[in-house]
Amino acid sequence: DSGVTQTPKHLITATGQRVTLRCSPRSGDLSVYWYQQSLDQGLQFLIQYYNGEERAKGNILERFSAQQFPDLHSELNLSSLELGDSALYFCASSVATTAEQFFGPGTRLTVL
Amino acid sequence: GQQLNQSPQSMFIQEGEDVSMNCTSSSIFNTWLWYKQDPGEGPVLLIALYKAGELTSNGRLTAQFGITRKDSFLNISASIPSDVGIYFCAGQLRETSGSRLTFGEGTQLTVNP
Repeated sequence: DSGVTQTPKHLITATGQRVTLRCSPRSGDLSVYWYQQSLDQGLQFLIQYYNGEERAKGNILERFSAQQFPDLHSELNLSSLELGDSALYFCASSVATTAEQFFGPGTRLTVL
Repeated sequence: GQQLNQSPQSMFIQEGEDVSMNCTSSSIFNTWLWYKQDPGEGPVLLIALYKAGELTSNGRLTAQFGITRKDSFLNISASIPSDVGIYFCAGQLRETSGSRLTFGEGTQLTVNP
């Protein structure tokens, strides 16, 4: 158990819908990262937050957005969902912006 | 963008054998990390390497940060059935205000008892 929690574990929804994925970092960690894992693209970095501020951005679609709240939990919002958005979404956390990252168990999103 | 080439893609070995896998990049990384992922689970950090040339062990696992900072390898000695899984290398690049991990494609390890 890495100490990073993610909810929900599984999410099934329809195209065009909007979903919110939630992540709580390890106790004491200030930085949160989001990654997408799909069969064809592998593990891809989406975005990083540190203490509430966006710090790094990957190839995150405009339909996706994230934020980190004062209690340090983070949410990833996915809107106008397409079939190709079906993937595993992982959250990771680290104590500092450049420290080693610990991953949560992931949320499996299925878009029908 | 940066890409990590990880090899081999898959390995089938007998219990007790040693395993070696590696990653190469066209770009320099500040940190190399190795993760293991079981089906349906998140990646679990095995080893982190911070300096070029660094050799680090974690039990039966040994990893090295290449001196060019563009490669890393992972060795597993005396493999056991619970070593089965997908192993990923990841390079960490520090940016102006943050960082990101770039992952290799993974090595699927199968250990036959």
